[in-house]
Amino acid sequence: AQKVTQAQTEISVVEKEDVTLDCVYETRDTTYYLFWYKQPPSGELVFLIRRNSFDEQNEISGRYSWNFQKSTSSFNFTITASQVVDSAVYFCALSELTSGTYKYIFGTGTRLKVLA
Amino acid sequence: EPEVTQTPSHQVTQMGQEVILRCVPISNHLYFYWYRQILGQKVEFLVSFYNNEISEKSEIFDDQFSVERPDGSNFTLKIRSTKLEDSAMYFCASSADRGGYTFGSGTRLTVV
Repeated sequence: AQKVTQAQTEISVVEKEDVTLDCVYETRDTTYYLFWYKQPPSGELVFLIRRNSFDEQNEISGRYSWNFQKSTSSFNFTITASQVVDSAVYFCALSELTSGTYKYIFGTGTRLKVLA
Repeated sequence: EPEVTQTPSHQVTQMGQEVILRCVPISNHLYFYWYRQILGQKVEFLVSFYNNEISEKSEIFDDQFSVERPDGSNFTLKIRSTKLEDSAMYFCASSADRGGYTFGSGTRLTVV
């Protein structure tokens, strides 16, 4: 069965520190998508990135970067030079193309607190 | 950029009452979804809808839940007789194909 594990429940860092949020997934399929979402205190889900299972290239977007490693079934997210505005809950999610429907399986989230 | 619109943003209802959560998906999208997030917990799949019928539903989506696309633009989630444990954030989402979603900003349901 599909599963997403975010072992870090809460992380606190001081502003300008780098922080990595871990995500480990389980799936039997070869075709799938991985996602990261940010959920600020206001509650909405803010899309950050989508990566398909055939694209292992790491990605950088400003202060954000993602490290996808199929060999370890991990899709980790790094924020460089963190800012107070990065404080939020971050969810990793998995979606399988071959499932009966294209549903997302979310991890339990990591609450990031960036202290000034 | 096209958005998925959910109304209301917050709804308070009394236990046992029926509630309808409304969503306007992106106009050319074909797949529609509802997810639920109990406060402090993860986001969970409830149901998917395609071609005017449910394509998959989770164990959470029991007989008290129903979905409908009453016209060409709205997609609704009805909870027939609300319970305290139905208090949660409900997210609607839509997609053009079986690819990535666009989520709405959610409706926070509080059952008192």
